[in-house]
Amino acid sequence: SQTIHQWPATLVQPVGSPLSLECTVEGTSNPNLYWYRQAAGRGLQLLFYSVGIGQISSEVPQNLSASRPQDRQFILSSKKLLLSDSGFYLCAVDQPGQGIYGYTFGSGTRLTVV
Amino acid sequence: DAKTTQPNSMESNEEEPVHLPCNHSTISGTDYIHWYRQLPSQGPEYVIHGLTSNVNNRMASLAIAEDRKSSTLILHRATLRDAAVYYCIPPYNNNDMRFGAGTRLTVKP
Repeated sequence: SQTIHQWPATLVQPVGSPLSLECTVEGTSNPNLYWYRQAAGRGLQLLFYSVGIGQISSEVPQNLSASRPQDRQFILSSKKLLLSDSGFYLCAVDQPGQGIYGYTFGSGTRLTVV
Repeated sequence: DAKTTQPNSMESNEEEPVHLPCNHSTISGTDYIHWYRQLPSQGPEYVIHGLTSNVNNRMASLAIAEDRKSSTLILHRATLRDAAVYYCIPPYNNNDMRFGAGTRLTVKP
C-alpha cells in the first residue's frame, strides 16, 4: 500500500520569507499527486495536481508554485509568503486505474505566517 | 460535475447510531459515491464508497437511494473518536477530488 511522507509537521514563518514543503510517496509508481490547503475552519482547497514528472496543473492563481522533480516527490514553494498563506497543507496521492479506492493523504503541515 | 449538499453540522450521543445525509441529485449513472472523514488536525481518510446497492465495511454502512440522488452514511454506534468532518465526495473529474464543507459531527458522551 502507498505511504506518504510530509514534513515538517508545523512551521512558523515571517511574512516575505520563502517556503518549501516536501512530500514523498512510497509503495507506488507513476501516481497522481496533489497539494491541498485548508484554512482555519474551512474546507479543503485543491492547489496543484500532477500526473507525471514535470507536469503541474494549477487550480488557484496565487504566489505558490509546485514542482515534481521525481516520480514520487512533490514540492510546494513560495518565494515570498503572505499572511493569507497560513493554513494546513496536505499532500495526497492516488493511483491511476484504482480511482474508486480514492486518495491517501499525508499527515499535513500546519503553516503559520506571522 | 456532480454537486453534493450536506448539513453543516450534526450531533449524536455516544453509542447511538448516526445517519449522515448527502444529496447528489446531478450524479450520473456510472459515478461512484465516496465518503471521507477528517479527524481534528489530520488529513482526510477514506470511509466507504458505493455505486447502487448498499455497502458495509468495518467503519460504516452506506445506504444509497434507489434513484441514486441521495445517500446516507451510517455509523452504527458512534464513539467519541468518530467526531470529525464527514465529506460526501462528487466523483472524479479531471484528476481531482473536490471537497465541500462537509458535515461536522459532534459526539456527546
